[in-house]
Amino acid sequence: QVQLQESGPGLVKPSQTLSLTCTVSGGSISSGGYYWSWIRQHPGKGLEWIGYIYYSGSTYYNPSLKSRVTISVDTSKNQFSLKLSSVTAADTAVYYCARTPTVTTRYFDYWGQGTLVTVSS
Amino acid sequence: EIVMTQSPATLSVSPGERATLSCRASQSVSSNLAWYQQKPGQAPRLLIYGASTRATGIPARFSGSGSGTEFTLTISSLQSEDFAVYYCQQYNNWLLTFGGGTKVEIK
Repeated sequence: QVQLQESGPGLVKPSQTLSLTCTVSGGSISSGGYYWSWIRQHPGKGLEWIGYIYYSGSTYYNPSLKSRVTISVDTSKNQFSLKLSSVTAADTAVYYCARTPTVTTRYFDYWGQGTLVTVSS
Repeated sequence: EIVMTQSPATLSVSPGERATLSCRASQSVSSNLAWYQQKPGQAPRLLIYGASTRATGIPARFSGSGSGTEFTLTISSLQSEDFAVYYCQQYNNWLLTFGGGTKVEIK
């Protein structure tokens, strides 16, 4: 059974860079043709897809965030990461990592528990 | 961007009753639609993909239908554990988008 776990600071200052890591267990991040995603949920609101990455490093980002987002992968650690630069209070949200089965079946079948990131000075 | 609109925003249902949730896409998404269930403090859980295929371990009381722009999630007989927020998500367009959610509450 695949499991995903987010980790990273729960508090980030405005204008700084938010950095989160997702550790995948129960399977290799570089096998199965899966894509690995980040999704966020503002407090009390709906879900927003941030982007995803393939183990080879190919990335796809939501254009609304593209100028500030970098998703990377470390296959040796079975992890992938999110960096979001120049954060503001509007980036306060629960951040989830999730697995996407393939590039054409881009729903999310396994999710991490989520981590709340608050942007505040 | 494909806008996904869910209705109603809140649905009040008694345990044992049937619940019907709707999701409309601003343009056709074929059958590339998924449904998720989210309970407070938890991550969303995949219920349905391909508009009508139940994910692994999902009870048969959950069913999905529709194609193109109109989709429905039906819960045939609501159990106590089914009271939650439900989201639809399209994956026909490379920019993945979710609906705003329908909260199913106890009547």
